[in-house]
Amino acid sequence: GAGVSQSPSNKVTEKGKDVELRCDPISGHTALYWYRQRLGQGLEFLIYFQGNSAPDKSGLPSDRFSAERTGESVSTLTIQRTQQEDSAVYLCASSFGQGVDEQFFGPGTRLTVL
Amino acid sequence: GEDVEQSLFLSVREGDSSVINCTYTDSSSTYLYWYKQEPGAGLQLLTYIFSNMDMKQDQRLTVLLNKKDKHLSLRIADTQTGDSAIYFCAESIKSGGSYIPTFGRGTSLIVHP
Repeated sequence: GAGVSQSPSNKVTEKGKDVELRCDPISGHTALYWYRQRLGQGLEFLIYFQGNSAPDKSGLPSDRFSAERTGESVSTLTIQRTQQEDSAVYLCASSFGQGVDEQFFGPGTRLTVL
Repeated sequence: GEDVEQSLFLSVREGDSSVINCTYTDSSSTYLYWYKQEPGAGLQLLTYIFSNMDMKQDQRLTVLLNKKDKHLSLRIADTQTGDSAIYFCAESIKSGGSYIPTFGRGTSLIVHP
């Protein structure tokens, strides 16, 4: 596809369950980013990948959060034992990782933890 | 405090100019950005400015950069109802050898007739 896609678009889960969010970046983009956007808040940086490596994991809010990227393409963000405070829109973006480094954002996954 | 700060709301009348302000912290940022998020959509890059510039104009958009005060502004001339959106200021902050875009909380621009 031409843009960044994310799935699912909406996810409702029960507290304590694990969820997996997927991001398909633009082909050729070496950098991939995950952000969290809570209602009325800015973008909270979670993690970024350069290729398949994540040099900076300091933004992950707790050890319940993990992410991986394979084939310098698809990335998954996993949240274990979800809590109500995890409810937010999770945004993925990709870029060439250099120069102006414009980020191209996906539409997001809206996660609701009941 | 937050790395990037901006006011949360701005309301203007259609046809007036809008000015959205932002302050940032990292003087080593090479680029500063304005992203736009329309309702129900993802963020899109609206414009950017290189840190050695103090002004950039692109049609109805004017970006002003005051490096001394670490202040960035976005002016939209002849604001239209279609400009209603959330505008995010962003800077690139060095982290672990790379530059990570850091976003403000966003300014909701409301344009009324």
